[in-house]
Amino acid sequence: AQKITQTQPGMFVQEKEAVTLDCTYDTSDQSYGLFWYKQPSSGEMIFLIYQGSYDEQNATEGRYSLNFQKARKSANLVISASQLGDSAMYFCAMREGAGNQFYFGTGTSLTVIP
Amino acid sequence: AAGVIQSPRHLIKEKRETATLKCYPIPRHDTVYWYQQGPGQDPQFLISFYEKMQSDKGSIPDRFSAQQFSDYHSELNMSSLELGDSALYFCASSPRQRRAYNSPLHFGNGTRLTVT
Repeated sequence: AQKITQTQPGMFVQEKEAVTLDCTYDTSDQSYGLFWYKQPSSGEMIFLIYQGSYDEQNATEGRYSLNFQKARKSANLVISASQLGDSAMYFCAMREGAGNQFYFGTGTSLTVIP
Repeated sequence: AAGVIQSPRHLIKEKRETATLKCYPIPRHDTVYWYQQGPGQDPQFLISFYEKMQSDKGSIPDRFSAQQFSDYHSELNMSSLELGDSALYFCASSPRQRRAYNSPLHFGNGTRLTVT
């Protein structure tokens, strides 16, 4: 089974609007971390935000927030006030327990329209 | 802040040639990962090292090998290159913590390998 599922291959959002990128995960571990990365067309992989399985509050980092719904096993990324520079590929990832492996989703391509 | 350094940024090789990619992790990060990302794909885990020992192995072809040295830098050696090896190769590092799931991977800018 896929560990991380991102069902939106491509998304469009108007500049200054908010957008939600979906991510669901599959794990039987009680301890895990969920991460979002941004990959612009230049190729680098930029770490955006982290949510731990024991965190009761949703993580926020500037315009990024994570809508964590543990019972639904979802960890959606919310980008507020979208900017043209937000156009990129976004990957959701998970790390389980004490494990070394990171599991990536297939990514969502976000395009911000002026 | 120091980041993960990868070299070279771009590499063009012919089929059946060899290539060596280098990675210098963030200081005090003792775990190094290698990923391969084909065009339009998500990163695929190849191999990881902790304290200079291989810790996990993913979908790394037998033609590839890697090691981590005493200064924690790592090298990915690729032999008998094939057209399908053309991809972006990332190195990432992470500090080893008791609660490893807390630690994000910090990626380098990648090496774009083109095999012709």
